[in-house]
Amino acid sequence: GAVVSQHPSWVICKSGTSVKIECRSLDFQATTMFWYRQFPKQSLMLMATSNEGSKATYEQGVEKDKFLINHASLTLSTLTVTSAHPEDSSFYICSARDPGYETQYFGPGTRLLVL
Amino acid sequence: DQQVKQNSPSLSVQEGRISILNCDYTNSMFDYFLWYKKYPAEGPTFLISISSIKDKNEDGRFTVFLNKSAKHLSLHIVPSQPGDSAVYFCAASEGSGIYKYIFGTGTRLKVLA
Repeated sequence: GAVVSQHPSWVICKSGTSVKIECRSLDFQATTMFWYRQFPKQSLMLMATSNEGSKATYEQGVEKDKFLINHASLTLSTLTVTSAHPEDSSFYICSARDPGYETQYFGPGTRLLVL
Repeated sequence: DQQVKQNSPSLSVQEGRISILNCDYTNSMFDYFLWYKKYPAEGPTFLISISSIKDKNEDGRFTVFLNKSAKHLSLHIVPSQPGDSAVYFCAASEGSGIYKYIFGTGTRLKVLA
């Protein structure tokens, strides 16, 4: 299947700092990427839909100024958690949709721990 | 409001037997359904999908059944293997071109050797 990578896989940072997570589609061009968050023992919750060359669409309750999304190319989307706080500690997962197919392929996830 | 529900948080099955994972949804606009498998600290891996125009899709040991009138889908794994032990999520999307997935809460499957 298609390959999606995320970097970094682990981040530990101090409260108040910003963290950038990269999501790359390695063998296809993704016009649409998605960012999810998963808290322990909970489902994957969609945070935002990232469209190449346009502004991201955020789900209700997700602060767009806190979670900055940039989809500058067809293979790269970035999520920046600005001024991170301990409650932002979570598992962040991106996915990319292979154009022409409906299936999303997921990255391996990034675990963020804010101290 | 949870639009996609997996009411069994966990399931244990003997190796070689059938595993049946269930998923219910409330939004009648959903027309595409998927099952993903997830290990801890990893991203979900796509297993199998089904469009609302079908009621069954089979891929090797995995079969997904869709009952639109009951708004219910199930994943059958037969025979179950210890390597199948993971958390299984069902997901649904609404309408062509939207591609947004709503995930269920997951069912942890444990296949006992």
